[in-house]
Amino acid sequence: QKEVEQDPGPLSVPEGAIVSLNCTYSNSAFQYFMWYRQYSRKGPELLMYTYSSGNKEDGRFTAQVDKSSKYISLFIRDSQPSDSATYLCATNDYKLSFGAGTTVTVRA
Amino acid sequence: NAGVTQTPKFQVLKTGQSMTLQCAQDMNHEYMSWYRQDPGMGLRLIHYSVGAGITDQGEVPNGYNVSRSTTEDFPLRLLSAAPSQTSVYFCASRTGTSNTEAFFGQGTRLTVV
Repeated sequence: QKEVEQDPGPLSVPEGAIVSLNCTYSNSAFQYFMWYRQYSRKGPELLMYTYSSGNKEDGRFTAQVDKSSKYISLFIRDSQPSDSATYLCATNDYKLSFGAGTTVTVRA
Repeated sequence: NAGVTQTPKFQVLKTGQSMTLQCAQDMNHEYMSWYRQDPGMGLRLIHYSVGAGITDQGEVPNGYNVSRSTTEDFPLRLLSAAPSQTSVYFCASRTGTSNTEAFFGQGTRLTVV
């Protein structure tokens, strides 16, 4: 069983829609949860990270962790074509474990 | 400050050939790792290192070797290339092992024919 499971999509939405991305993880000891964004033919870059449970907001992006259900979410409000990318969730104890990544396309 | 530099960017190998993918970072990071990325599979950890002289296996280590003789360099060796090793390879580095950001190279696209 992978440590982090993510639906690979793909996901296509119209500009201005809310994008909802989800992951589940297996190890209840994980404390740090991250979202990376990867544009086509580039390396991933850190978008947001959260510690333990709760929400974290950064502009149009909100990261949410529910430790009781081992669920990680990323919401993108007022999505833009520039948000078109692959989004990877990750958990981090002593090694960085990634989900499969969800490819998002925002249509103008 | 170049960050994480991977070479080459593209490579075509014949089955059975060997090669080394280079990775160098100039941020004095202790932790370095190699991933492969395949469609629908995300980033899978091949090998990682928590400091010079220390390496360990990740999720998919078979067919690959690593060594870490300096803090800056972490080369990945393919011993006898197979078509199943066709993939995009990413090297990453970071300062610690918990909440620190990982910095990735631009990737090496490897095709084994």
